[in-house]
Amino acid sequence: DTGVSQNPRHKITKRGQNVTFRCDPISEHNRLYWYRQTLGQGPEFLTYFQNEAQLEKSRLLSDRFSAERPKGSFSTLEIQRTEQGDSAMYLCASSVQGVEEQYFGPGTRLTVT
Amino acid sequence: AQTVTQSQPEMSVQEAETVTLSCTYDTSESDYYLFWYKQPPSRQMILVIRQEAYKQQNATENRFSVNFQKAAKSFSLKISDSQLGDAAMYFCAYRSATEWKSGSEKLVFGKGTKLTVNP
Repeated sequence: DTGVSQNPRHKITKRGQNVTFRCDPISEHNRLYWYRQTLGQGPEFLTYFQNEAQLEKSRLLSDRFSAERPKGSFSTLEIQRTEQGDSAMYLCASSVQGVEEQYFGPGTRLTVT
Repeated sequence: AQTVTQSQPEMSVQEAETVTLSCTYDTSESDYYLFWYKQPPSRQMILVIRQEAYKQQNATENRFSVNFQKAAKSFSLKISDSQLGDAAMYFCAYRSATEWKSGSEKLVFGKGTKLTVNP
């Protein structure tokens, strides 16, 4: 059991650039979640997949954000035209349908300069 | 919408002593799950303990136990025999148990409590 993995662990980018993060869930977990955590706050839900279908998106997920989960395996989160307010830790979690616990990855820390 | 409140931004405890972290939540639902997650510095979040709202018995996991008061919408975490490795941010989280309801799968987190363990 390798756990949830995320890449890269750290990303520094200039304002206006596009960035993409990857999340590999625990194998056989059909649900995958993205959260954003800013300093001093708890994680906030962004979006959720069941298999390859994106079933819910938070209003926090502006048009500059897009997430995919092709083939129901790994997922990518892309942020276009990054802004300084996008600086945060982006967390991925996975779970099995019918099991309430979500297992988190180590996160990708994004810094927009 | 559900909300989770952790009123203690920081707490400290002496090694081997007991500490209680507070959490209150607001919901109109009757069926839900509550969790405590631990986030050590620069490490990933891990589940500490969970409680199903329909269960009256408080959950326990080794040195960790909860005091679940459904009517008061309170869900505190007690850590007994505190160890240096318990130092971390602790987050209380809520999840609806209504599978068919949109938004039920997400976790709603509080702002967290930073726990320091003094040797």
